[in-house]
Amino acid sequence: DAKTTQPPSMDCAEGRAANLPCNHSTISGNEYVYWYRQIHSQGPQYIIHGLKNNETNEMASLIITEDRKSSTLILPHATLRDTAVYYCIVNGALINTGTASKLTFGTGTRLQVTL
Amino acid sequence: DTGVSQDPRHKITKRGQNVTFRCDPISEHNRLYWYRQTLGQGPEFLTYFQNEAQLEKSRLLSDRFSAERPKGSFSTLEIQRTEQGDSAMYLCASSLRRGTGRTDTQYFGPGTRLTVL
Repeated sequence: DAKTTQPPSMDCAEGRAANLPCNHSTISGNEYVYWYRQIHSQGPQYIIHGLKNNETNEMASLIITEDRKSSTLILPHATLRDTAVYYCIVNGALINTGTASKLTFGTGTRLQVTL
Repeated sequence: DTGVSQDPRHKITKRGQNVTFRCDPISEHNRLYWYRQTLGQGPEFLTYFQNEAQLEKSRLLSDRFSAERPKGSFSTLEIQRTEQGDSAMYLCASSLRRGTGRTDTQYFGPGTRLTVL
């Protein structure tokens, strides 16, 4: 699996957009970028994933650079409940052979949303 | 609530005892994963099932660990002769594998926190 690099921590004011960066310079063509978050003592929560194109859902937007070597997760209006550890994961599943998409988590970015 | 449930949520045991955890995946999901998470670290993959078949095991899964998914629905993870180093959060995730050419998204349960005294 490609390795990802994330800043260890970030702060964001409530109501502002939180932009969480991730570098994955060794990503290969069939690898997806996944984002999960984990609020203290809970299981990881799926946020969003993408391959090449930018993606948006009710939780967040994912911006992937054209060369796919980095991405940014955007929480458009952060709230205190968004305080969590955010994991950027490159999914190394060999999609065409059906190998399981076991996730390799790093240590993530600890996002603190403040008043 | 993702629809993945785990039981118990917390378990305290003495070193040397056996423990068993249960995971109930989202009902139509054919893949089930187990992960372990220690304090300050991200989750680490242990093993996964496709339907009832256990298809991969991590080197982290020592001989004292065994997992089953007898009917392709719920799964159990048993740890025999627990050690203090087994203290961790044990997470279960499930996904729906639709076929080649598609990725499958894993949805996690709340975890079982194990403390070995």
